[in-house]
Amino acid sequence: DGGITQSPKYLFRKEGQNVTLSCEQNLNHDAMYWYRQDPGQGLRLIYYSQIVNDFQKGDIAEGYSVSREKKESFPLTVTSAQKNPTAFYLCASSPPGPQPQHFGDGTRLSIL
Amino acid sequence: GENVEQHPSTLSVQEGDSAVIKCTYSDSASNYFPWYKQELGKGPQLIIDIRSNVGEKKDQRIAVTLNKTAKHFSLHITETQPEDSAVYFCAPSGRGGSNYKLTFGKGTLLTVNP
Repeated sequence: DGGITQSPKYLFRKEGQNVTLSCEQNLNHDAMYWYRQDPGQGLRLIYYSQIVNDFQKGDIAEGYSVSREKKESFPLTVTSAQKNPTAFYLCASSPPGPQPQHFGDGTRLSIL
Repeated sequence: GENVEQHPSTLSVQEGDSAVIKCTYSDSASNYFPWYKQELGKGPQLIIDIRSNVGEKKDQRIAVTLNKTAKHFSLHITETQPEDSAVYFCAPSGRGGSNYKLTFGKGTLLTVNP
């Protein structure tokens, strides 16, 4: 089955630590996205990538970094500069242009 | 950027009733209008979408209507069932430079009471 796999499902971060969230897709989609969701809120765009080796900042990129070395992979690093990292993180992919985005089942990040 | 407002924020209906959720947006260049359903602990799933050259689209019990002049689109669910209970998001797509981005509303929690 084609889809998007996010791992781990739950992640804990200590103060001052960087953590990396994994996102892999086998849908052969060019575009990939990272969103943050806080309780009772909509999804806010962190970073997106339209093509391999290229990515752009979304609305809340500060304290996060990404890479896009392979078409199927778009990992997100939550750095120690992100002072309020506790949230539900969602990865998505889509074909180019205004197309439906397909989502993974998220990673819930908490601070120890 | 795009401003998106979604109403109501919560909606409770009896099984078999209809439910309507409205989404207003600000970017007149938006040309793609999807609705997503999110169940607890899961990622959002697309349930229906419409493009700017169409006024209405229906898929069984679900329909979406678009009013581009007034810049709003609505989700209609008929004959609601308990499994329709979830959070629903609108996410109009505007064009920022050469890229297309979805801007999500804050969601509507729909509860269908048996």
